[in-house]
Amino acid sequence: GAVVSQHPSWVICKSGTSVKIECRSLDFQATTMFWYRQFPKQSLMLMATSNEGSKATYEQGVEKDKFLINHASLTLSTLTVTSAHPEDSSFYICSANAGFTYEQYFGPGTRLTVT
Amino acid sequence: KNEVEQSPQNLTAQEGEFITINCSYSVGISALHWLQQHPGGGIVSLFMLSSGKKKHGRLIATINIQEKHSSLHITASHPRDSAVYICAVTLNTGNQFYFGTGTSLTVIP
Repeated sequence: GAVVSQHPSWVICKSGTSVKIECRSLDFQATTMFWYRQFPKQSLMLMATSNEGSKATYEQGVEKDKFLINHASLTLSTLTVTSAHPEDSSFYICSANAGFTYEQYFGPGTRLTVT
Repeated sequence: KNEVEQSPQNLTAQEGEFITINCSYSVGISALHWLQQHPGGGIVSLFMLSSGKKKHGRLIATINIQEKHSSLHITASHPRDSAVYICAVTLNTGNQFYFGTGTSLTVIP
């Protein structure tokens, strides 16, 4: 149980285009979803926290107009990188929390390359 | 200063060795988590602890709340244990994770 999927697993896009990443909890309802960014050989950096049906809470320094997060249902959250630039190239990971435990269940990650 | 400190940063071991990774934290926590990240990037939750000790196969995790310290032990290490091990804590105030910098483990056959 407690499986989180992410799609796509990798994506290459041209500079200036937008990319949407989906995060789904497959067998539980996720009251809270987290979006992380990870640079090579570094730890995860929290970008934002989203609760179903409400606006995401962004961490300091994360542009909310550039990284659009939608948590439309208890099983789906999306991260859209708008007007992507090469410096947005990174590994993006989502996780989900079921609300009754402190555990987070992580998706497999999405590797974004902007050319 | 990071709320969570891990050591060592890098660790190389021979197959069969007993391995210990340490984690110290400086804040009040509701739980401590040990995570494993494989080279492909996927993260697996190994343990969630709020007190005492847990064991799963060759992995053992302990926590000392008074000393604000946790250890992850791997017995009879194997090359497939090679991964990055990450300590994270959730605070009393919420369910957000605060991560250590990770320990990169390589087990040589």
